[in-house]
Order: sequence, then C-alpha cells, then structure tokens
Amino acid sequence: DGGITQSPKYLFRKEGQNVTLSCEQNLNHDAMYWYRQDPGQGLRLIYYSQIVNDFQKGDIAEGYSVSREKKESFPLTVTSAQKNPTAFYLCASSLRGRIYNQPQHFGDGTRLSIL
Amino acid sequence: DAKTTQPNSMESNEEEPVHLPCNHSTISGTDYIHWYRQLPSQGPEYVIHGLTSNVNNRMASLAIAEDRKSSTLILHRATLRDAAVYYCILTKSYSGAGSYQLTFGKGTKLSVIP
Repeated sequence: DGGITQSPKYLFRKEGQNVTLSCEQNLNHDAMYWYRQDPGQGLRLIYYSQIVNDFQKGDIAEGYSVSREKKESFPLTVTSAQKNPTAFYLCASSLRGRIYNQPQHFGDGTRLSIL
Repeated sequence: DAKTTQPNSMESNEEEPVHLPCNHSTISGTDYIHWYRQLPSQGPEYVIHGLTSNVNNRMASLAIAEDRKSSTLILHRATLRDAAVYYCILTKSYSGAGSYQLTFGKGTKLSVIP
C-alpha cells in the first residue's frame, strides 16, 4: 500500500545536538510538508517543498533545516538553534504543490523529546 | 486571511448522525473548505472538501451554506472510531502562500458515547 513513513516514532535528543527526522513517501507525490504540533494545539507549518531540489519556509522555520534531493524523501533536521524542540512532528505530501483542491496525506508522526 | 471558528467539543451517541459546524464569515469567493480529522497520536486524515456545492463521499457529507459563511460536516452514523479532533480549514485557489499550506486551528473534539 502507498503511504508516508516517518521514522523513528519516538526520538530523544540531548541539549545542543542536532537530530534528523526521516520522511519517505511512495505515493509519487510532487509536494511534501513538515508540520509541528504542540499539546492541545493545531498544526503549524515548518517547511514545504513543491518539487525536488526546491523548498520554502513555512510559518515557524527558525531552528530547522530540510533537503529534497529525491522525490520520495524530505528529511527534517532539528538544530540546536531550535529553543523548544519538544513536539510531535508530522510529515505530509500532496500530488501537486498547490493543495487548494486536493488532499494532503500524513504520516503517523515522530515524537521528539529533550533529555 | 480568512479564519474558521469551531466549537471546542461535541458529543454524539453511537449510530446517530453528527453535525459538526464551522463558521468562516470572512471566506472569499476562491477559498475551498477542507475537513480533516486526527485520532490521538496519529497524523491527520483527509475527510472531505468543497467549494460551493454540497459534497458526499464514503466518509461523510459536507453541507455548505448558500452564502458560504458556514459549513457543516455530517457523519451519517457515528461509530466509536469516529471519535477524533475534526479540523475545518480554508485553502486559497490563487497563487499565493495560502494555496500551498493548510492552516490548522484547534478543531472540535468529538466524543462518541457507546
């Protein structure tokens, strides 16, 4: 079955470390997205990519970085510059970059905690 | 940007219909209305979307007011698996930031009573 795979499901980071969250999709979608969700809150967009080798900042990009070298993969790095990284991170994809009339498909998320 | 307003929580009895309201009084003519739902510790799941006409799919129905300032997601027969947070979201159809991202509010937490 096609879908989005996020790994790991749980991740722990020490203060001052960078960590990378994996997101892979086999839906042949052009566009991919990273969201952050804090307890009791809605999702906030971190970065999105409409095509390979191109990506744009979302609403809360500070302290994060991404790459899009392959269509199937969109890893997110949480850097030490991110002051409050503890959150639930969700990756999504859509067939095309403009999602006004099409659904986004989401992975099951990675929960990041600071030790 | 146009915003949506939803009740914080709602309850429904199992096997009864559920009507989840959403107000979007500042919606523009080119904004689409989307609904997603999220179960605990999972990613959101697409439910339905529409522009002007009512829409039906296997999961739900979307009823859009004639003036488009409100909409209602209808679950025809609630099951325990429908207990989730439901998000009503507007997306823009012109080329701009609003056409590339979903902006999630806090949504409506639906509880289903056996």
